[in-house]
Amino acid sequence: GAVVSQHPSRVICKSGTSVKIECRSLDFQATTMFWYRQFPKQSLMLMATSNEGSKATYEQGVEKDKFLINHASLTLSTLTVTSAHPEDSSFYICSAGRWIEAFFGQGTRLTVV
Amino acid sequence: GQQLNQSPQSMFIQEGEDVSMNCTSSSIFNTWLWYKQEPGEGPVLLIALYKAGELTSNGRLTAQFGITRKDSFLNISASIPSDVGIYFCAGQNDGDKLIFGTGTRLQVFP
Repeated sequence: GAVVSQHPSRVICKSGTSVKIECRSLDFQATTMFWYRQFPKQSLMLMATSNEGSKATYEQGVEKDKFLINHASLTLSTLTVTSAHPEDSSFYICSAGRWIEAFFGQGTRLTVV
Repeated sequence: GQQLNQSPQSMFIQEGEDVSMNCTSSSIFNTWLWYKQEPGEGPVLLIALYKAGELTSNGRLTAQFGITRKDSFLNISASIPSDVGIYFCAGQNDGDKLIFGTGTRLQVFP
């Protein structure tokens, strides 16, 4: 089946620094990828829709200048958390593919200290 | 953001028991999906439902798309320890975004 890979799986960073998370579709091309955030014991909340070759679409309440999304190719989308703060600590998950056939990455556990 | 309500919130059952969980929404969806998430991993699709009233099975899992299109349930028969995880429903409308449920945490004791 289709595989979506996220990297890194875990990252710890200092407050104020930026962190980049990669999401790759390994065996198919994805014009659209999606980024979710999941806090402990909570559900997945869609942050933004990443569109290849164009600007990402952000959900209400998600700061586009803080969560930079780049979808430069049909197999790679990146999420950069800029000037990270402890409250940004969360589990970030990407998905790729058509909505009904969305495949999820393994997730990235971000801890900001 | 919008979320679907799932119940129960958590379940603690003995191996071999059957499990039933449901998902309700205040709005209509054209597609219902059920995912399982294990600790530290992304969700994995279990069952997709495309038509109101549809009943679909995947091994020991059975899910139904409610007639009103505002609800869905998932049953797991003869549970085994590897069924442990968090089960999420998700609703979707014609290319629109996925809306996830609040999740049901399942714990199976041998």
